[in-house]
Amino acid sequence: GNSVTQMEGPVTLSEEAFLTINCTYTATGYPSLFWYVQYPGEGLQLLLKATKADDKGSNKGFEATYRKETTSFHLEKGSVQVSDSAVYFCALSDPNSGGSNYKLTFGKGTLLTVNP
Amino acid sequence: EAGVTQFPSHSVIEKGQTVTLRCDPISGHDNLYWYRRVMGKEIKFLLHFVKESKQDESGMPNNRFLAERTGGTYSTLKVQPAELEDSGVYFCASSLGGYSPLHFGNGTRLTVT
Repeated sequence: GNSVTQMEGPVTLSEEAFLTINCTYTATGYPSLFWYVQYPGEGLQLLLKATKADDKGSNKGFEATYRKETTSFHLEKGSVQVSDSAVYFCALSDPNSGGSNYKLTFGKGTLLTVNP
Repeated sequence: EAGVTQFPSHSVIEKGQTVTLRCDPISGHDNLYWYRRVMGKEIKFLLHFVKESKQDESGMPNNRFLAERTGGTYSTLKVQPAELEDSGVYFCASSLGGYSPLHFGNGTRLTVT
């Protein structure tokens, strides 16, 4: 079945540090890949996505590239801010869901804390 | 535009009791989903509604869980009777369908003691 493995946290960084959160996946077929973020007290928000190999998703200074050869979708940001403190979830859509993104498989989440 | 709202935000119940969680999707979103995150584990898909019809309930863990969406608007998820392993955060999401993004609510944190 489908699965997502992301680096376990927590991750603690100083402001302006470089961030990488690793994510690898297992899926049959060609899933779309996502990063969701959950800020304290809020729901999950879509951060970025990529729908096919070599696509790069980007938003709010975050980037991730869909690497089919390594089945990876690592999240990066060049300079984190205190406001980036949140839980980050890597996810994929079920390739067999008939062209829909509804059935997501999530990783366990990575808690990021950025200190001033 | 109001987002997906869930009620209650927290619920603490004893084993064997019944709890009903409610989700109000974004207006106009025919697609509604339930997910849950059990402590320390992944967020897992429970089921999917299109309007009032269940499209996929393959993630429902057992028959103690009952989801409804009468009239195709808000949805409820009832757990009866609750067990300790049902503790976790229950998320609702809605979308326009297809490749549209899922909009998640803040979740309901359920604690069964």
